[in-house]
Amino acid sequence: DQQVKQNSPSLSVQEGRISILNCDYTNSMFDYFLWYKKYPAEGPTFLISISSIKDKNEDGRFTVFLNKSAKHLSLHIVPSQPGDSAVYFCAATRNTDKLIFGTGTRLQVFP
Amino acid sequence: EADIYQTPRYLVIGTGKKITLECSQTMGHDKMYWYQQDPGMELHLIHYSYGVNSTEKGDLSSESTVSRIRTEHFPLTLESARPSHTSQYLCASNEQGPAYEQYFGPGTRLTVT
Repeated sequence: DQQVKQNSPSLSVQEGRISILNCDYTNSMFDYFLWYKKYPAEGPTFLISISSIKDKNEDGRFTVFLNKSAKHLSLHIVPSQPGDSAVYFCAATRNTDKLIFGTGTRLQVFP
Repeated sequence: EADIYQTPRYLVIGTGKKITLECSQTMGHDKMYWYQQDPGMELHLIHYSYGVNSTEKGDLSSESTVSRIRTEHFPLTLESARPSHTSQYLCASNEQGPAYEQYFGPGTRLTVT
């Protein structure tokens, strides 16, 4: 049973527009959420995170929103750039070091 | 800047061979992890370690084994490789304490023929 779900395998966005990547989770005990970005032939790199006591965290062009009642989080990238083209993984944890990952969403930003 | 290294980056090997995937980090992190990932799938934790001489199995059952003799080194071994072991193997580490962000190495793409 998948506890972290990314239902959109791919997303295509024009450069300069907003990219919105979504993630749903089933375990209400998760208390920390992370987004990772992965280029081909490289390991994932940490992008941004949010604690369950917050509903928004912003870092430059990246903002993560958390809706606990809906068990949903989203990553907004504004403005999108071609270098943002990568696979984005959502991950969650329940006060441990074990991260539960989603299956990833491939973002393509075109000119 | 995270400094975590994996070798080899790519490995094609025949069935039945013994292989060791290397992972090293220079950050002094006590906690290290091995994940397995197939294309289009999530990362699955197969092993982790909280320090020297400490190793635990992860959520996904794996026929591989690990060792942690030195803080900076966390190798993964397959005694007899099979085609079902074909996958990408990712090593990660993080600090002690309430730090959930893990730093990943570049991964090893293993193909067993």
